[in-house]
Amino acid sequence: DAGVTQSPTHLIKTRGQQVTLRCSPISGHKSVSWYQQVLGQGPQFIFQYYEKEERGRGNFPDRFSARQFPNYSSELNVNALLLGDSALYLCASSLNQGFLLTYEQYFGPGTRLTVT
Amino acid sequence: KNEVEQSPQNLTAQEGEFITINCSYSVGISALHWLQQHPGGGIVSLFMLSSGKKKHGRLIATINIQEKHSSLHITASHPRDSAVYICAVALGEKLTFGTGTRLTIIP
Repeated sequence: DAGVTQSPTHLIKTRGQQVTLRCSPISGHKSVSWYQQVLGQGPQFIFQYYEKEERGRGNFPDRFSARQFPNYSSELNVNALLLGDSALYLCASSLNQGFLLTYEQYFGPGTRLTVT
Repeated sequence: KNEVEQSPQNLTAQEGEFITINCSYSVGISALHWLQQHPGGGIVSLFMLSSGKKKHGRLIATINIQEKHSSLHITASHPRDSAVYICAVALGEKLTFGTGTRLTIIP
């Protein structure tokens, strides 16, 4: 069974541009979370989606948005990119029956975004 | 003060040694996750705990809900255990992560 997949694996963008990152959860997983990991730091929670609805949002500006599709895949969009948005963006899915993260999280390999 | 504190930040040990990594948190949680991250970024879930103790191979994780503390133990450590180990607590709909413990096992 395929694990969580993310695309693209690497991306280079210029300040001010917009980017869309994609995540496909493990089959049967309805919960998808997004995290940002800046080099040398632990991941920071950005969003959780469960059953296609936003269930949680971290302390990130409105330039960050996401959505979840009927097949439970998800997209993270970042507008007006800043140098500080350079990071590894991780997606995780789980078998959560609700939005409480009390089930094991399965992480994708991440998308490494570089903003120049 | 961070909601999740890990110690030590860095740990170097000889192959075969018993390893302990600690995690303390300051709020009520619904679950605690131990994660392993190798160079290159991939994160693997090791354990999810809400009480007691879990064991998988050479890895053991314990949690004390009253003391808001969890430990990850590695027995008979091996160089392939070298990685960053991250504690994350589930606070409702989000995970809050510690800064990680970088473990290096020397042959």
